[in-house]
Amino acid sequence: KQEVTQIPAALSVPEGENLVLNCSFTDSAIYNLQWFRQDPGKGLTSLLLIQSSQREQTSGRLNASLDKSSGRSTLYIAASQPGDSATYLCAVTRGSGTYKYIFGTGTRLKVLA
Amino acid sequence: GAVVSQHPSWVICKSGTSVKIECRSLDFQATTMFWYRQFPKQSLMLMATSNEGSKATYEQGVEKDKFLINHASLTLSTLTVTSAHPEDSSFYICSARGSGTRDQETQYFGPGTRLLVL
Repeated sequence: KQEVTQIPAALSVPEGENLVLNCSFTDSAIYNLQWFRQDPGKGLTSLLLIQSSQREQTSGRLNASLDKSSGRSTLYIAASQPGDSATYLCAVTRGSGTYKYIFGTGTRLKVLA
Repeated sequence: GAVVSQHPSWVICKSGTSVKIECRSLDFQATTMFWYRQFPKQSLMLMATSNEGSKATYEQGVEKDKFLINHASLTLSTLTVTSAHPEDSSFYICSARGSGTRDQETQYFGPGTRLLVL
C-alpha cells in the first residue's frame, strides 16, 4: 500500500530564506507526482507536476525534483515571502490508467515578515 | 486553465438530513471525477472515483450507501451525504480529469465544500 509522508510537518521561517520541503513515498512505481498548495479553508492550487520519467520541474521561484528510485521528491522555494504561507501537499498517482492521487501528510509553512 | 466549481461552498444542516454537493467542470469534459474528504489539519483522503455513466468506485472503508455519488454528465458529479451526522462534518473536495490527451495527465481541483452537521 502506497504511503506518502512529508517532512517537516510544520515550518516557520523568516522572509527571504530558501526552503526545502520533502516528500517520500513507499512504492516507487508511480506514474507522476504533483505538488499543491492549500490556503486555510480553501481548495488546492496545483504548483508543479512531474512525470515519472522526469527529474525536475521549475516554475518561477519553485523547483521540484523527483528521485523515483529512492522514493523522494523535494520542493525548493527560493527567497520565501509571507504570501508563500500555506500548507504544501505532495501527491502521487499509482499508475497509468488509475489516476488516483495518494496525498502526503502536508507541510504547514509560515513565512514571517 | 481548466476550472472546477463546487456548490455550495459551505453548508450547515441538522443531524439526520441529507446534503447534496455538486462538482462541475466548467470549460472541459471530465470523464472521471474524484471525491475527497479532509478533516482539520489532515491531508486529503480519497473517498470514491466517479466515471460518467457508470457506478462510482468507493475506497475501502467508505460507505457507499452513506455517500451517494452520481456522475450523470461529462460536466457534473454529485455527492449526497445521506442522513448526515456530526461525524460527517468535514471539508469535501472534488477533482476532475479531462478526456483529452493532455488533460488526462492532470486533475483539476474544486474549491471545496465545508459541511457542518449540528
